[in-house]
Amino acid sequence: QKEVEQDPGPLSVPEGAIVSLNCTYSNSAFQYFMWYRQYSRKGPELLMYTYSSGNKEDGRFTAQVDKSSKYISLFIRDSQPSDSATYLCAMRTTNAGKSTFGDGTTLTVKP
Amino acid sequence: GAVVSQHPSWVICKSGTSVKIECRSLDFQATTMFWYRQFPKQSLMLMATSNEGSKATYEQGVEKDKFLINHASLTLSTLTVTSAHPEDSSFYICSAPTLDGNYGYTFGSGTRLTVV
Repeated sequence: QKEVEQDPGPLSVPEGAIVSLNCTYSNSAFQYFMWYRQYSRKGPELLMYTYSSGNKEDGRFTAQVDKSSKYISLFIRDSQPSDSATYLCAMRTTNAGKSTFGDGTTLTVKP
Repeated sequence: GAVVSQHPSWVICKSGTSVKIECRSLDFQATTMFWYRQFPKQSLMLMATSNEGSKATYEQGVEKDKFLINHASLTLSTLTVTSAHPEDSSFYICSAPTLDGNYGYTFGSGTRLTVV
């Protein structure tokens, strides 16, 4: 069993929809949680990061971490065609250690 | 923000030759660099972790003699694929923690290697 499981998708939504992306994990030592966006043939770019449990909001993006359930989510409001990409969750146990990634969810937002 | 510059962005080489990929941290010191490999429609697979001035730590199943990693300075880490074969064709990406309070790491733009 993988340490990090990500909803596989792919997801296709109309423009303006609310998107929910989710990951579960098994390692209770994970403390740092990140969401990255990756466009085709490019390196991932950081969208959101959270330390421990809680919510964090940045514009149209909201990240949620529920450590008791070992579950993290990324919500995208008012989705745009430019949000079409692969979204990767990542987590790690220490501030500068190696990250464990989910397999990614490919999102397509249709105009 | 912190930038990791990765070169080349794509390379085609013949079987049996070696290819070097460079990652430079442009405005911060990267004491650690993570090297990943990514197959199409798959996630990032950590290959090795390099630390400036010391030997790299390789993940299980990664051939250290085939994937040579050098981290000779605080701003440069290199990955050399030696005696490349078609099965080494993949997307290689480097990543470094910036340790500036941002818990996310900065990634290079990736190198697409095709071995023919």
